[in-house]
Amino acid sequence: GAVVSQHPSWVICKSGTSVKIECRSLDFQATTMFWYRQFPKQSLMLMATSNEGSKATYEQGVEKDKFLINHASLTLSTLTVTSAHPEDSSFYICSAYPGQGIGIQYFGAGTRLSVL
Amino acid sequence: QKEVEQNSGPLSVPEGAIASLNCTYSDRGSQSFFWYRQYSGKSPELIMSIYSNGDKEDGRFTAQLNKASQYVSLLIRDSQPSDSATYLCAVNGGTSYDKVIFGPGTSLSVIP
Repeated sequence: GAVVSQHPSWVICKSGTSVKIECRSLDFQATTMFWYRQFPKQSLMLMATSNEGSKATYEQGVEKDKFLINHASLTLSTLTVTSAHPEDSSFYICSAYPGQGIGIQYFGAGTRLSVL
Repeated sequence: QKEVEQNSGPLSVPEGAIASLNCTYSDRGSQSFFWYRQYSGKSPELIMSIYSNGDKEDGRFTAQLNKASQYVSLLIRDSQPSDSATYLCAVNGGTSYDKVIFGPGTSLSVIP
C-alpha cells in the first residue's frame, strides 16, 4: 500500500528557532501534498497545499512567511516553522495525493512540536 | 456555515452494540466521501470511502451515502473497545480532485 513517511515524529525546540519537518511518499509519486495542524481535541486544520515545483497555496490566516513549504520533488515536501513560539506547539500532519482517485490522501504519522 | 458537520459527541455505546456516526456536508458538487479513524496522538487512518448513493460494507463497518440529503453515515457493528477513537468525516471539495474538507470529528467510546 501507499506509504508516507514523516520525520521527525517529535521535536522540542527553543523559542525563536526554526524547525524543519519532512514528508516523503515512499512508493508513489505525489502530485500534491497537504500540511495540516491539529490542536488538542480539535479537528485537522488545513494549512497549505503544495504542488511539486510551484509555490504552496496557503489557507486563509496561515502566515506563509512563518510556515515555509518546499515541494522540491514528487516524493518530498518540507514544512519549516520559522522563529517558532510556544503558540506554534501543535501536531503537524502531512498527507499526499497520488494523482489518481478523487480525494484520496495518504497520511504521514505526524510530528508533535513542542516549543519551549 | 460549516462545510462538513458532525456531532462532536462523545458518543458512548456498550461493547457489542452498533455505533452510528453521522455527517452532513454543504457542497452539492462533492463526489467522494471518507471516514477516518484517529486514535489520540496518532494521525488519521482511512477506514471507509464511498462514492455513490447507498450502502457500502467492509467487515463491521458500513458507510451510507445520501447525496440528495447531503448526508453520510458510518455504522460500526459489534463495537469493540478498540473502536474507541475519534471518527473524522471528510468530503472532497467538488472543485478539485485532491483536496478534502474534514469535519470536526465525533469521539466514540465503547464501554466494556
